[in-house]
Formats: sequence, structure tokens, C-alpha cells
Amino acid sequence: QQQVKQSPQSLIVQKGGISIINCAYENTAFDYFPWYQQFPGKGPALLIAIRPDVSEKKEGRFTISFNKSAKQFSLHIMDSQPGDSATYFCAASASGTYKYIFGTGTRLKVLA
Amino acid sequence: GAVVSQHPSWVICKSGTSVKIECRSLDFQATTMFWYRQFPKQSLMLMATSNEGSKATYEQGVEKDKFLINHASLTLSTLTVTSAHPEDSSFYICSALTGAGELFFGEGSRLTVL
Repeated sequence: QQQVKQSPQSLIVQKGGISIINCAYENTAFDYFPWYQQFPGKGPALLIAIRPDVSEKKEGRFTISFNKSAKQFSLHIMDSQPGDSATYFCAASASGTYKYIFGTGTRLKVLA
Repeated sequence: GAVVSQHPSWVICKSGTSVKIECRSLDFQATTMFWYRQFPKQSLMLMATSNEGSKATYEQGVEKDKFLINHASLTLSTLTVTSAHPEDSSFYICSALTGAGELFFGEGSRLTVL
């Protein structure tokens, strides 16, 4: 119940295409869903996050879509660029706790 | 976003020695910090939760005496790998929790034990 399932494990996209990464959770107490971007040899960086009171959040080329009834959320990267090539982690946490549960990560490669 | 600084970013040590890694929240106070270990091409493995002024809470399977954590101030947590051995070689990452519940990570520390 504490797991966050992330897919796909790896993804190859052409430059200019849309990258889509999906995550699913079971614990209905989760109310904060961030996405992190990690480049090799670096720590993860907070990319964008959403709370269940909205179904979509957009920041530049990055969009989170959230489906509360399905307990799923996804990251969309529009106009993907080679510089977006990195590992992306979804996560979930619940208010009042400090535990973040991370997905297993998606290695994205954007071809030039 | 908030800034978390981790030092050193890269360290090599001899087997049997101890290594200390520092994690600092630069522009906010962090009551709670976390330490992770990451193996190549794998996800983040939570090692322990560090709370300012109290003992760290270790995850199952993590040796408390091997990985000493100290959180003496609201902006600094340290991880000391004691009597390091080659199997302790890894990428260690800290993170800090803001008052708003957002989690920010340090740059990571690559430990190589010879």
C-alpha cells in the first residue's frame, strides 16, 4: 500500500516529441505528488509538484496530470529536448508525515 | 527552490577509515533531513531520517553503528561512515524538508573505498 509504481523503466523519444511517464499509488492518504529530475552524478532536483485539489499543473514544457479516482498521475514533457535526458522519479507523501515514497525511476533519452 | 548543499561531492578513502559527509540547508531551517544511498541505475534507498536534536531513525537493515548520523542544528546534518569497506562505496544523497513539506536534495557524495 505504500508503494508508488512507475512506468516505463526507460523511454526513448525523438527531439520535439512528447515524453510521458506514469505513476500509480494505493494509499489514499497521499496528498502531495512531486516529480524529480536527476542527472548522472547529481542529486535529484524538484521539477514540478501537484496536490489532489487540481487535475493538472503546467510549468513551461512540463505538465502533471492527476487522476484522483484512478490514483494515477503522470508527467508530460512537451517538445522534448536532448537536455531533458535524465532519470525522472515520481514520489508521494501525506500531510502530517514526512515520509516520501519514491517510484523506481524512468531513464529518459531524447534523441537529437 | 530551497538550496541544500552537500560536501564533499567526491571522496576516496582507505579501507578501515571513517568518512564524514555534511548536508546543509542554506536558505531554510530543516527540522528533518534524510539520508539516501543510491546504487547505479537504481532508485533512492532511504537509510535514515535525521531529526534535529534527537537520535536518527534508521531503516530496517541499515547498521546504526556503521552509519552515524548527527543533526546538531537546524541547518546541518552529518553522515559518518565508520570503518569503511569497499562494499560501502556508493552514492550518498541527503535531503531536507522545508516547513511547507517540500523535499529538496543535496548534490550527492560519491564515496569510493579502496
